[in-house]
Amino acid sequence: QVQLVESGGGVVQPGRSLRLSCAASGFTFSNYGMHWVRQAPGKGLEWVAVVSYDGTNKDYADSVKGRFTISRDNSKKTLYLQMNGLRAEDSAVYYCAKDFSHWGQGTLVTVSS
Amino acid sequence: NFMLTQPHSVSESPGKTVTISCTRSSGSIASNSVQWYQQRPGSVPTTVIYEDNQRPSGVPDRFSGSIDTSSNSASLTISGLKTEDEADYYCQSHYGTNWLFGGGTKLTVL
Repeated sequence: QVQLVESGGGVVQPGRSLRLSCAASGFTFSNYGMHWVRQAPGKGLEWVAVVSYDGTNKDYADSVKGRFTISRDNSKKTLYLQMNGLRAEDSAVYYCAKDFSHWGQGTLVTVSS
Repeated sequence: NFMLTQPHSVSESPGKTVTISCTRSSGSIASNSVQWYQQRPGSVPTTVIYEDNQRPSGVPDRFSGSIDTSSNSASLTISGLKTEDEADYYCQSHYGTNWLFGGGTKLTVL
């Protein structure tokens, strides 16, 4: 069955960087576009970024454009989110999702001094 | 760009029918597919409707989706409400490869 397992979250100071990972299994990872979605505590879902199946096409929410970079390594079946210049408002649970049909359990990012 | 606006909360009694709306701020609601997600407390979102009105396997036929171009909105209707339907519901659509969610609607079944 499809499994998506995020890692890399934690507490980080404003302005610093963090890289999230999402390990995929149970499907042909290289055939699917992948997304990052976040949810601040007690708030709604916010789409963050998408990468095409082969990594060549990417798009971002305006709120993270220029600061976050989505990438993938199909040989490792892993999705990444490089987050630079973190702000307090980036604090959230970050989910990776395959086609929005399958979601990981999320990893919590807290940006605080 | 556009926004998707949902009511903050709705409530209804078990056995009744409830409809949650999702209004697109600009551009036609029919231009891009609309999805609906259910998120129970402490759980990840699951798809209840995709491509405006399609139900994934395993989702009861009590859940239905539609779009209305006259009001430029999409709707999720849940009939025969059960207490297990109590959750947050999010609509979603896209423009090109940019995706967005509505603000979410908290459904209370009381």
